[in-house]
Amino acid sequence: KAGVTQTPRYLIKTRGQQVTLSCSPISGHRSVSWYQQTPGQGLQFLFEYFSETQRNKGNFPGRFSGRQFSNSRSEMNVSTLELGDSALYLCASRVGPSSYNSPLHFGNGTRLTVT
Amino acid sequence: QKEVEQDPGPLSVPEGAIVSLNCTYSNSAFQYFMWYRQYSRKGPELLMYTYSSGNKEDGRFTAQVDKSSKYISLFIRDSQPSDSATYLCAMSGSTDKLIFGTGTRLQVFP
Repeated sequence: KAGVTQTPRYLIKTRGQQVTLSCSPISGHRSVSWYQQTPGQGLQFLFEYFSETQRNKGNFPGRFSGRQFSNSRSEMNVSTLELGDSALYLCASRVGPSSYNSPLHFGNGTRLTVT
Repeated sequence: QKEVEQDPGPLSVPEGAIVSLNCTYSNSAFQYFMWYRQYSRKGPELLMYTYSSGNKEDGRFTAQVDKSSKYISLFIRDSQPSDSATYLCAMSGSTDKLIFGTGTRLQVFP
């Protein structure tokens, strides 16, 4: 079974630009979560989608948004990029919306560098 | 105070040693506990998942949860150089939002 696939693996953008990251979950998984990982803050929760609906949202500004499609694939968008947005963005999927017997499985992330 | 506390290390041990990694947490609503391993330039890989107090064993790995003390541990027996990585604890409760520790960097030298 293929794992969580994230594209692209690396991105370099300029301050003020916007970026879209893509995630394909494990087949059969309907819940997708996004995390930001930085050396200083560790893994921070961005948002979670299940059946195309946002279930949970972390404490990030409105510049960070996401969506999920009917095939469970998900995208996240960051507008008006800032230098502090440089991070590894991780997508994770699980079967359903609950953690019960359904742990998260992560992709290898998209490394975003903002210059 | 962070909801989940984890010593960042680094922890350096010789090959064959028993490694003990720990996390403490403050939110008594946490019910599900996980350990992930992350190699450089890779995403976190699920190692252990448990939702009850007590021990769970899988090969060389044992996860221990003590809900009364709000303390979880991961033990690695017969550690190998290939175990060198960052180990992240994670937990969630009724909101299903996973909260991570900052990770402990482990180095196993031959």
